[in-house]
Amino acid sequence: QQQVKQSPQSLIVQKGGIPIINCAYENTAFDYFPWYQQFPGKGPALLIAIRPDVSEKKEGRFTISFNKSAKQFSLHIMDSQPGDSATYFCAASGREYGNKLVFGAGTILRVKS
Amino acid sequence: KAGVTQTPRYLIKTRGQQVTLSCSPISGHRSVSWYQQTPGQGLQFLFEYFSETQRNKGNFPGRFSGRQFSNSRSEMNVSTLELGDSALYLCASSLSGTSYNEQFFGPGTRLTVL
Repeated sequence: QQQVKQSPQSLIVQKGGIPIINCAYENTAFDYFPWYQQFPGKGPALLIAIRPDVSEKKEGRFTISFNKSAKQFSLHIMDSQPGDSATYFCAASGREYGNKLVFGAGTILRVKS
Repeated sequence: KAGVTQTPRYLIKTRGQQVTLSCSPISGHRSVSWYQQTPGQGLQFLFEYFSETQRNKGNFPGRFSGRQFSNSRSEMNVSTLELGDSALYLCASSLSGTSYNEQFFGPGTRLTVL
């Protein structure tokens, strides 16, 4: 019940395409869902986060869609660029977990120029 | 503002040895969390410290321990190293202990156990 399932494992898109990464969770105590981006040799960096009281959140070219009833959320990257090539992780947490994040397995994204 | 720093960046040890990793959080941040990242298990939560107290602990054996000092700097220790402990160990800091604060990750310490 602590798991967050992420798909796909890897993704290749052309420049300008819209890669979509999906995550699903079971624990209804989760109420905070961040997405992290990680480049080789670096630690993960927060991209965007959402709470279950909204169904969508946009920040620049990054959009999170959230479906509370299905317990699923996804990341869309608009107008993807080669510089977006990285590993993306979804995560989940909740008030009772403090700062503990449960991460998905990660998606390796490659944007071809 | 300086980011999260971790030392050392790379470490090679042999089985049975012990190791201590250090993390300096962003100035003013009181919460420090540690994660282990491996290709097989992904990112897994080790423990979190807030104001020198361990608030939360993941499912790791007792060989993994940590502490936090009054200046919020944190150390984690792994005793009796095993080959499977080879991983990238990441430290993350945040302002407070609630789940809605952004966590800032350091670059990690790459531990190799031979």
